[in-house]
Amino acid sequence: EAGVAQSPRYKIIEKRQSVAFWCNPISGHATLYWYQQILGQGPKLLIQFQNNGVVDDSQLPKDRFSAERLKGVDSTLKIQPAKLEDSAVYLCASSPGTSEYEQYFGPGTRLTVT
Amino acid sequence: GDSVTQMEGPVTLSEEAFLTINCTYTATGYPSLFWYVQYPGEGLQLLLKATKADDKGSNKGFEATYRKETTSFHLEKGSVQVSDSAVYFCAPGGGKLIFGQGTELSVKP
Repeated sequence: EAGVAQSPRYKIIEKRQSVAFWCNPISGHATLYWYQQILGQGPKLLIQFQNNGVVDDSQLPKDRFSAERLKGVDSTLKIQPAKLEDSAVYLCASSPGTSEYEQYFGPGTRLTVT
Repeated sequence: GDSVTQMEGPVTLSEEAFLTINCTYTATGYPSLFWYVQYPGEGLQLLLKATKADDKGSNKGFEATYRKETTSFHLEKGSVQVSDSAVYFCAPGGGKLIFGQGTELSVKP
């Protein structure tokens, strides 16, 4: 079974530029998550989708971050404009549903904002 | 809100030593409890889980027991290997995982 795919793996941009990350979840998984992991910290949930609807985006900085999940499968996370403090690893995860299911994580995208 | 407190790292052990990483949590109700592991440069992998009180999760020689009365889920392994060097995250969750800061483990030969 293929795992969660993410691209790119690494990205370096200058502040005020825009960037987009892509995630392809495990086939058949209804729930998709985006996390931000700053160096030395645990992942922080940014947004959770159930199929193509948003379940929780309470910690998404909506003035600069946006995310979508078209057709309930792939998802993109965008940052525009980027700030220095956005430097982090962005992790995508998926699960068969909500509640007690474990989440399966992709390898992450390491973003460096200079 | 829900939160989790993990033993601070880094933890440095010699190969074959006994490992304990403490984890306590606060949560509404009785969530499932998870331990995830992150190897250098990789995403998180599920290590083990427990879904109700007194359940014991186990995998690859690691164990953790869901203690409702002390709201704890401590991770243990009887004999660590160099390949166990990684960052370990405890996470209570019922659809939304809450991660602690992680505990870095370094095992020396």
